[in-house]
Amino acid sequence: DVKVTQSSRYLVKRTGEKVFLECVQDMDHENMFWYRQDPGLGLRLIYFSYDVKMKEKGDIPEGYSVSREKKERFSLILESASTNQTSMYLCASSLAGMTDTQYFGPGTRLTVL
Amino acid sequence: AQTVTQSQPEMSVQEAETVTLSCTYDTSESDYYLFWYKQPPSRQMILVIRQEAYKQQNATENRFSVNFQKAAKSFSLKISDSQLGDAAMYFCAYKRDKVIFGPGTSLSVIP
Repeated sequence: DVKVTQSSRYLVKRTGEKVFLECVQDMDHENMFWYRQDPGLGLRLIYFSYDVKMKEKGDIPEGYSVSREKKERFSLILESASTNQTSMYLCASSLAGMTDTQYFGPGTRLTVL
Repeated sequence: AQTVTQSQPEMSVQEAETVTLSCTYDTSESDYYLFWYKQPPSRQMILVIRQEAYKQQNATENRFSVNFQKAAKSFSLKISDSQLGDAAMYFCAYKRDKVIFGPGTSLSVIP
């Protein structure tokens, strides 16, 4: 079975802090994604990566950056956390190609005070 | 731009009964994929069912089936013989170049 893990289930940070969210997948998937999930809005794509060191902006990249130095690891960085970034963050991975299902991690609930 | 709409924020169903969750989407493309994902409380999101737009036959996975109406751009999920474990948030998703998710429907199952 595909396993996608995220470094923390719950995280509390202060405004202005730099925040790192880590995601690791163990199935050699090419594609990795970061979403944020907010009630009534569903999942919105922040960034995705289709290969090591490659990244593409999603629908809401402002205030975020990403890093993919190894195929299995995809990090989301909040350079200076703000209260409007309080949310659930979901990581996902998939094989290359349009047909492929995304496999999700358990999510990180981030609270920015 | 493509959009996905789920008009029912919350639904409930009696255990062992059947429930249908609605999803509509907007696209000008003819080749795409549609998905239903399930997110149980405090658990990981998983794929329930997938439908290729070029296939006329509706996808089925055990108690889960879809009613895909391409012309109407409708993709509803039917859950038969509902079980307590079906209680979850359900997301409809459209995929062509990227995945677009609907806002979700929260399903409660009443014992």
